[in-house]
Amino acid sequence: GQNIDQPTEMTATEGAIVQINCTYQTSGFNGLFWYQQHAGEAPTFLSYNVLDGLEEKGRFSSFLSRSKGYSYLLLKELQMKDSASYLCAVRDNYGQNFVFGPGTRLSVLP
Amino acid sequence: EAQVTQNPRYLITVTGKKLTVTCSQNMNHEYMSWYRQDPGLGLRQIYYSMNVEVTDKGDVPEGYKVSRKEKRNFPLILESPSPNQTSLYFCASSLFGTGGHEQYFGPGTRLTVT
Repeated sequence: GQNIDQPTEMTATEGAIVQINCTYQTSGFNGLFWYQQHAGEAPTFLSYNVLDGLEEKGRFSSFLSRSKGYSYLLLKELQMKDSASYLCAVRDNYGQNFVFGPGTRLSVLP
Repeated sequence: EAQVTQNPRYLITVTGKKLTVTCSQNMNHEYMSWYRQDPGLGLRQIYYSMNVEVTDKGDVPEGYKVSRKEKRNFPLILESPSPNQTSLYFCASSLFGTGGHEQYFGPGTRLTVT
């Protein structure tokens, strides 16, 4: 079966660092993506991991451990505009279909 | 401007009345996909297409049809809509379905079936 878990909600303070975890159990694996979605808007791409390790992109970093079925998104120097939902998605190895997690709603407080 | 467009943006319809939601991209992308988004369930893939005339089922294809007759368009067809298809629908495209190519999402279509 396909299952992706993320915390439902998180709260953090402006300027802080927050880590959003994602665990997955899928029938295959061909890459993990993180997307950001502001309320009422479409998702936008943040990062991609296919090999184990850390990918850094400005204030955002994403980590992957394939053996553990685990990824996290790290957001540094939080800003109010980072308040959004963060979606973890796995691409299945057997095709090009994507399985998304339920999303984590992050609230950044002043 | 590079974009994915969907029409209509909002639609209220009745059970059983066939409808089509259009999706078009101007980026010459090969891969296109349809998702529905429901509270607590996240995005679920309905159908995807690797290229013209090539379509495959996602995780929730029942009650939907798609076609890919030309590269830029990927319409979603509900032959006989039912209330459980009330949802927010997103179309997305990416250069290819493989590799780290990001998906670009359309603005969404909010469908209500009564």
